[in-house]
Amino acid sequence: GAVVSQHPSWVICKSGTSVKIECRSLDFQATTMFWYRQFPKQSLMLMATSNEGSKATYEQGVEKDKFLINHASLTLSTLTVTSAHPEDSSFYICRAGFGDEQYFGPGTRLTVT
Amino acid sequence: QKEVEQNSGPLSVPEGAIASLNCTYSDRGSQSFFWYRQYSGKSPELIMSIYSNGDKEDGRFTAQLNKASQYVSLLIRDSQPSDSATYLCAVKIGRRNQGGKLIFGQGTELSVKP
Repeated sequence: GAVVSQHPSWVICKSGTSVKIECRSLDFQATTMFWYRQFPKQSLMLMATSNEGSKATYEQGVEKDKFLINHASLTLSTLTVTSAHPEDSSFYICRAGFGDEQYFGPGTRLTVT
Repeated sequence: QKEVEQNSGPLSVPEGAIASLNCTYSDRGSQSFFWYRQYSGKSPELIMSIYSNGDKEDGRFTAQLNKASQYVSLLIRDSQPSDSATYLCAVKIGRRNQGGKLIFGQGTELSVKP
């Protein structure tokens, strides 16, 4: 099946710094990728839809200036958490695919100290 | 009303029993429904997809869909301790075979006791 990778798998950063998370589709082209966030013991919450070559579409309540999404190519989307704070500590997961075939990346665990 | 609702559990069943997981959704126009399994600290993995009313079986798993009642369920037969995980129901917004948002329920934690 198709593979979606994420990098890094985990990251620790200091409060106030920025962190970039990459999501790659390894064997297919993805015009759309989705970014989710998951806090402990909670379900996945859709943050934004990343569209290749155009601006991302953010869900209500998600700060677009804080969570910068860039979908520069058909195989790469990046999520940058700017000026991270401890409350941004979470599990970030991307999803990509075509039609009804959708695949999750392995996730990135972000800890902000 | 939440768009996708599940009982959070935990649901505890003995090894070898049938585990029954339920999900309701609010959007009558939804056409694509999915069950994911998520182990602690890991990303969700797709177990079943279902698009038509009725049952769909895959090994020990059976998904059931009733669009009139806006209800999706997952049965796990001969439950094994390795089935212990959180099961997420997801409903896609939009038409089949088109990319679209997946809306997740809060997940049901299943524990299978040896």
